[in-house]
Amino acid sequence: SQQGEEDPQALSIQEGENATMNCSYKTSINNLQWYRQNSGRGLVHLILIRSNEREKHSGRLRVTLDTSKKSSSLLITASRAADTASYFCATDGNDYKLSFGAGTTVTVRA
Amino acid sequence: NAGVTQTPKFQVLKTGQSMTLQCAQDMNHNSMYWYRQDPGMGLRLIYYSASEGTTDKGEVPNGYNVSRLNKREFSLRLESAAPSQTSVYFCASSDPSAGALNIQYFGAGTRLSVL
Repeated sequence: SQQGEEDPQALSIQEGENATMNCSYKTSINNLQWYRQNSGRGLVHLILIRSNEREKHSGRLRVTLDTSKKSSSLLITASRAADTASYFCATDGNDYKLSFGAGTTVTVRA
Repeated sequence: NAGVTQTPKFQVLKTGQSMTLQCAQDMNHNSMYWYRQDPGMGLRLIYYSASEGTTDKGEVPNGYNVSRLNKREFSLRLESAAPSQTSVYFCASSDPSAGALNIQYFGAGTRLSVL
């Protein structure tokens, strides 16, 4: 079964607004990753946060991790049309496998 | 920079036919993976190969077989295709030994329809 569960399933925002999506998981992890998938394409790695980190930034992306609540959030600031995509969290239990959630579909309106 | 290459990109099969999906990576990664993605769901792991010469079942292995031909290539075979195997298939590779981070790199996918 899938480890991660994203919330919301879909999000529609205006260009320039921020987009926030959440991920909850069930078991202990080594790290948590976020991936983006543009329509009809493969997944692309965005950012990784280790289990001993609480927050990480990369450009317009901000990821938080709360291991006590087994949850993570991804914030995309000042969204652009090119950010329209599906976003997936993936948990790494340090067993060569990643477990993906069902994803959040983000639509950025011009 | 090819990365992970999957062939074919599209395929239509009749129930009971067999086919092999090919995957090759040029990043010298040790680990390779096959996933399927169905509408409204995330990726589900079919099989993986932690290193050359080894393969292991994932979450949904029934109806599939794999071969790790060499370090570069990892193929997925459907022996007798069923409509339930209609999906988009992704191959990925990673090198978990590199700082113990399993960052995966994905191919563009194979869209398979079984009629």
